Amino acid sequence: DVKVTQSSRYLVKRTGEKVFLECVQDMDHENMFWYRQDPGLGLRLIYFSYDVKMKEKGDIPEGYSVSREKKERFSLILESASTNQTSMYLCASSLLGGRSSYEQYFGPGTRLTVT
Amino acid sequence: AQTVTQSQPEMSVQEAETVTLSCTYDTSESNYYLFWYKQPPSRQMILVIRQEAYKQQNATENRFSVNFQKAAKSFSLKISDSQLGDTAMYFCAFMSSNYQLIWGAGTKLIIKP
Repeated sequence: DVKVTQSSRYLVKRTGEKVFLECVQDMDHENMFWYRQDPGLGLRLIYFSYDVKMKEKGDIPEGYSVSREKKERFSLILESASTNQTSMYLCASSLLGGRSSYEQYFGPGTRLTVT
Repeated sequence: AQTVTQSQPEMSVQEAETVTLSCTYDTSESNYYLFWYKQPPSRQMILVIRQEAYKQQNATENRFSVNFQKAAKSFSLKISDSQLGDTAMYFCAFMSSNYQLIWGAGTKLIIKP
């Protein structure tokens, strides 16, 4: 089974702190994604990566950055956390190309609270 | 811009009943994929069912089936013989040629015993 893990289920940080959210997948997937999930808004794409050291902005990249130094690991960084970044963060991965790339596999999510 | 709309924020039905969740989308593309994902309480999001737009036949997966109306840009999910384990948030999603997913706001489905 595909397994996508995230470093924390719950995280509480203070305004202005630098926050790292890590995601690891064990299925050798090329694509990795970071989403933000808010009630009534569904999932919104923050960043995605289709290869090591490659990254593309999604719909809401402001205030976030990412790092992909190894194929299996994709990190989301909040440079200076703000209260409006309080949310559930979901990581996902998928294969690159062909029909197999259509299914995304998700981690359990990190519920981040910024106070 | 492509959009996905789920007009039912919350639904509840009795166990064993059939329930239909609605989804409409907007796109100018002709080739695309549509998905229903399920997010159980405190558990990971998983794929329920997938439909390829060029296929006229509606996708089915056991108790889950879709009603895909391409001209109307409608993609509803039917759950037959609903079970307590079907309680979850259900998200409709659209994938275009760039492989990125565009998500609806979700429908919270509660199955009552």
